[in-house]
Amino acid sequence: QLQLQESGSGLVKPSQTLSLTCAVSGGSISSGGYSWSWIRQPPGKGLEWIGYIYHSGSTYYNPSLKSRVTISVDRSKNQFSLKLSSVTAADTAVYYCAREGGSGGRSWFDYWGQGTLVTVSS
Amino acid sequence: DIQMTQSPSSLSASVGDRVTITCRASQGISNSLAWYQQKPGKAPKLLLYAASRLESGVPSRFSGSGSGTDYTLTISSLQPEDFATYYCQQYYSTPLTFGQGTKVEIK
Repeated sequence: QLQLQESGSGLVKPSQTLSLTCAVSGGSISSGGYSWSWIRQPPGKGLEWIGYIYHSGSTYYNPSLKSRVTISVDRSKNQFSLKLSSVTAADTAVYYCAREGGSGGRSWFDYWGQGTLVTVSS
Repeated sequence: DIQMTQSPSSLSASVGDRVTITCRASQGISNSLAWYQQKPGKAPKLLLYAASRLESGVPSRFSGSGSGTDYTLTISSLQPEDFATYYCQQYYSTPLTFGQGTKVEIK
């Protein structure tokens, strides 16, 4: 059974960079032609897709965040990562990593991590 | 961006009720729609994709339908474990977008 687990700093100061990692177990991040996404949810609000990295390493970011987002993959560790720069209080949210269930990118999310709360505060 | 609008934003229902939630896209999405259930403090759980395909392990009381811009999630007989927030998501084009959610509460 595929499992995803987020980790990283839970408290980030304004203007600094948020860094999170998603460790994948129970399957290889490089197999199956899947894409791997980051999604966030501000407290009490809805879901916002941040971007994905394709199994080939190509990326696509939400234009609303594109200038501040970097998603990368470390195949040797079977994990992928998110960096979000110049954070403000508006970036406070639960951050989820997820796998896209259809191959080729741009699909539904069938496996999710449990989520990690990141608070932006001085 | 494709905007996804769910209605209602919340509803109250009783165990055994038939519940319908609607999701409208700002443009046609060719059945590229998924539905999720989220309980407090938990990650969303995939229920259906391709508008009407039930994810493995999801009870058959959940069903989906629709075409073009208008889609529906139906719970045929609401169970106690179904009280949650439901989201639709389009994957017709990037950026992938979600509806604002529908909270199903106990009447």
